[in-house]
Amino acid sequence: DAGVIQSPRHEVTEMGQEVTLRCKPISGHDYLFWYRQTMMRGLELLIYFNNNVPIDDSGMPEDRFSAKMPNASFSTLKIQPSEPRDSAVYFCASSLKLAGGNEQFFGPGTRLTVL
Amino acid sequence: SQQGEEDPQALSIQEGENATMNCSYKTSINNLQWYRQNSGRGLVHLILIRSNEREKHSGRLRVTLDTSKKSSSLLITASRAADTASYFCATDEGYNFNKFYFGSGTKLNVKP
Repeated sequence: DAGVIQSPRHEVTEMGQEVTLRCKPISGHDYLFWYRQTMMRGLELLIYFNNNVPIDDSGMPEDRFSAKMPNASFSTLKIQPSEPRDSAVYFCASSLKLAGGNEQFFGPGTRLTVL
Repeated sequence: SQQGEEDPQALSIQEGENATMNCSYKTSINNLQWYRQNSGRGLVHLILIRSNEREKHSGRLRVTLDTSKKSSSLLITASRAADTASYFCATDEGYNFNKFYFGSGTKLNVKP
């Protein structure tokens, strides 16, 4: 397996534009997580899905952020409209439900810069 | 929140020395995990320790967990330059072991 795949790897956009980040989890994994990493706030969990259903979106900062998982092999995180403070590295991770705890497999991340 | 806190924030050692990093958290957990992040890359899982375990080994890694003190430590023995990275602990919510909180990380620099 190629691991968790994210695209694009880098995105530079202007304030007010719509940004869509994409993620393909590891085949067979039933959990998918979106994280945001910044120097100031560290690694924050934004939302996670189980079997394509959003379970907890309490970390989504504002209504400008939305995430979908239309099927087991694809998820998107959308920011509309984007703002400079959204600049960060966004990670997608997936895991397989195991009794007692799940190892998360992270993608390489998307570095987003909003000018 | 449950977010863990690593200590120290940065650590610089010579190759061959041991490196110890600590993690403290606030509420009860089911398990605690350690991850490594190389510069510009995603996080990589190192080791998971359950709340009923006190110590765990994996190669040159040794993790301890003290639930009474709500703390954990990661020891890397005989460090190598390739161990240079940031190390994060991740704790769950106790009642929900699918949701993790990551600490701010310890940046380890191993000098050759």
